Formats: sequence, C-alpha cells, structure tokens
Amino acid sequence: EDQVTQSPEALRLQEGESSSLNCSYTVSGLRGLFWYRQDPGKGPEFLFTLYSAGEEKEKERLKATLTKKESFLHITAPKPEDSATYLCAVRAGSSNTGKLIFGQGTTLQVKP
Amino acid sequence: DTEVTQTPKHLVMGMTNKKSLKCEQHMGHRAMYWYKQKAKKPPELMFVYSYEKLSINESVPSRFSPECPNSSLLNLHLHALQPEDSALYLCASSQVAGEPYEQFFGPGTRLTVL
Repeated sequence: EDQVTQSPEALRLQEGESSSLNCSYTVSGLRGLFWYRQDPGKGPEFLFTLYSAGEEKEKERLKATLTKKESFLHITAPKPEDSATYLCAVRAGSSNTGKLIFGQGTTLQVKP
Repeated sequence: DTEVTQTPKHLVMGMTNKKSLKCEQHMGHRAMYWYKQKAKKPPELMFVYSYEKLSINESVPSRFSPECPNSSLLNLHLHALQPEDSALYLCASSQVAGEPYEQFFGPGTRLTVL
C-alpha cells in the first residue's frame, strides 16, 4: 500500500535555529513528490516538486531534497513568518488519475 | 498567474438547505479537483475532473454533486448535508491529471452545517 509519513508531527524552533522536516514514502514507483505550506484556515501553497533521487530545489530559506526513500525540507535561519504546517504529497506510478497521497503534515512554530 | 479562486469564503447552512461552492482558474489547466479537509488533517480527495469529465469519485456521498460547466469552472452542489460534513473545502487545478504536475490550491470555503 502506498504510504507517506512525515516527522516530526510538530516542531518548535527559535528564530535563526535551522532544522529539517522529514517525509518518508513507500510507493509503487514515484512519479513526483510535492511540498506545500499551509497557513491556518487557508489552502495549501505550492512550494516544490521533486521528480528523481538526488534532485534539490531551493527557495529563500527553504531547500528540498529527495532520495529513493525520503525527502527533506531544510529550513535555514527560520523567521516567525515561516510558522505554518508543511505538507508532503506523492504521486505514485500506479496512478494516472491525478491522485496525491498526503502525509499528515509537520506543524512548525518559530519563536522570535 | 497561479491563482485559483473560490467563493464563498464562508458558508453556514442548515441540513435541509441547497447551496453551491464555486471554483475558477484561468491557467488553462485541464484537471480540476475537489478536496475536503478537516482540522489538523491533510486534504482528502473527493472528485477529479479531467478535460471537463468526471474521472474520479472517491466514494463521496450523493449529497455532494460536482459539476464542471467549462474548463475554467468547477462547482460543488450541496444538498441535505450532515453536521459531520463541516470542513474546509478546497479546489485545486493542474495542467493535466495524467501527468505528475503540481496542483495549485484555492483558498478554500469554510463550510459549517448546523
């Protein structure tokens, strides 16, 4: 069964304290892995797409990496405005229907 | 422009009411999606439209009725809902459903069923 697991469930950081969020997946042929940021009561905001192991994408303080079993979202010197829930989702090779499999998310709180 | 718009932002309805949620995108995307999201949970897929045709119904109760009038618009008609249907309803779109393109989400409609 295709599955996505995110850890930790919640993360509290001090402003400037770098860390990483993990997304582990077991799917039948990865076709794409997506990272989203979601603020309370709002829709997920697209961050990155990764397609193959070894790929990396960067945007401001965020960097996403991908291996054959997991993806990391590295946050460098976070600021309070980076506080949000970060969702990881995968597109499995078994699906050509557009269906994404989401992890449960990591809620990040950055304190000033 | 990667914007998906949804109206209304908030909706309160009784169990006997009929209401509709609307979604619009002008990115030329040919796949559109409805998701339901409960608090502290990830989005849960409800329906997928591909080239204006319903391609996936994730065993959603018939009190939810989707409609895709054209390639830019997606509606979700609601009738005889239950209090447990209260949630954030999200619309999303992507270039096509058959390829692993990113999905862009709208801001959502917060639905409360009394």
